[in-house]
Amino acid sequence: DGGITQSPKYLFRKEGQNVTLSCEQNLNHDAMYWYRQDPGQGLRLIYYSQIVNDFQKGDIAEGYSVSREKKESFPLTVTSAQKNPTAFYLCASSTISTNEKLFFGSGTQLSVL
Amino acid sequence: RKEVEQDPGPFNVPEGATVAFNCTYSNSASQSFFWYRQDCRKEPKLLMSVYSSGNEDGRFTAQLNRASQYISLLIRDSKLSDSATYLCVVNKGSSYKLIFGSGTRLLVRP
Repeated sequence: DGGITQSPKYLFRKEGQNVTLSCEQNLNHDAMYWYRQDPGQGLRLIYYSQIVNDFQKGDIAEGYSVSREKKESFPLTVTSAQKNPTAFYLCASSTISTNEKLFFGSGTQLSVL
Repeated sequence: RKEVEQDPGPFNVPEGATVAFNCTYSNSASQSFFWYRQDCRKEPKLLMSVYSSGNEDGRFTAQLNRASQYISLLIRDSKLSDSATYLCVVNKGSSYKLIFGSGTRLLVRP
């Protein structure tokens, strides 16, 4: 079955530590996205990528980094510079179109120890 | 002003009721509109796209009012399983970037 897989489901970060969230899709989608969701709030875009080896900052990119070495994979690193990393992180993918439907992974809940 | 605004609710309705949510957006150049459903601690899932002429999918009806810059979602004959948060999603102006509202929570009681 085609889909988008995020791991791990839960992740704990110590102070000063970098952590990486995994996102893999086998839908052959060109575009991939990372969103952050805080309780009671909508999704905010962190980074997005439309093509391999290229990505752009979203609205809240500070303290995060990404790579897009393969079409299927778009890992997100939460660096120590992100001072408030506790949130629900969602990865999504889509085709490139003006009326695109987003397919989401099941999310990673990141908490600080 | 937020780019996409929704009443957070919760809307608490009995089974079988009809309930409607509105969502307003600030950018008149927006072209793509969607309603997503999100269950607690789960990923959002597309409920329906919203077209200019309005569209219906079973018990769900979505409408777009460009003049007043709002979209609506009507749910008829509410089921317990409709309890969720409904996210309004609009593209940012003429770009493909999507802006999510903070969601409207619906609770359907027996």
